[in-house]
Amino acid sequence: NAGVTQTPKFRVLKTGQSMTLLCAQDMNHEYMYWYRQDPGMGLRLIHYSVGEGTTAKGEVPDGYNVSRLKKQNFLLGLESAAPSQTSVYFCASSSGLAGVKRETQYFGPGTRLLVL
Amino acid sequence: AQTVTQSQPEMSVQEAETVTLSCTYDTSESDYYLFWYKQPPSRQMILVIRQEAYKQQNATENRFSVNFQKAAKSFSLKISDSQLGDAAMYFCAYGGNQFYFGTGTSLTVIP
Repeated sequence: NAGVTQTPKFRVLKTGQSMTLLCAQDMNHEYMYWYRQDPGMGLRLIHYSVGEGTTAKGEVPDGYNVSRLKKQNFLLGLESAAPSQTSVYFCASSSGLAGVKRETQYFGPGTRLLVL
Repeated sequence: AQTVTQSQPEMSVQEAETVTLSCTYDTSESDYYLFWYKQPPSRQMILVIRQEAYKQQNATENRFSVNFQKAAKSFSLKISDSQLGDAAMYFCAYGGNQFYFGTGTSLTVIP
């Protein structure tokens, strides 16, 4: 049981380049989330999904897009990377909606992204 | 809006001793959950303990326990018999209509 996995683990981008971060979970969870973690700021929610084919904005959605074409996968895209998007990105999943339904989230190992 | 405040950016504890990490939150909601997550150097986020706001009894998980003061909106984490493996960043989190994390407390365990 792999839980939540993220690909890649580390990436360096130049300003203006695009990339996609992949999150996969094998727990049959309905809900998935993308966070970014910056020094001194904790984790902030970028986007989340309440089920296959649905997505919603979180606290800091600007500059990111997401897709949930399959229940087990949640993709985070950066169309035109900026240095301000240098961060560590975490994916999480839960059986119920964290917050509203108070469910525990299970986190992936994180992706470190550096935008030059 | 809900906020979560961890006022101790860094804490240290001697091995086998007890340490308490502080967390306060602000909310107008009456029903919510509170969480403590641990993030070791591997960066993996691990759930340590969870507390339902409607329960007066403080949650415990082995060496980890909380002191939940609903009226004061305080949710501290006590780690007893600290071990070297407890060294990590600890995040307090609030789950209500939205989910919010605090800024974290870095815990060092001194051998």
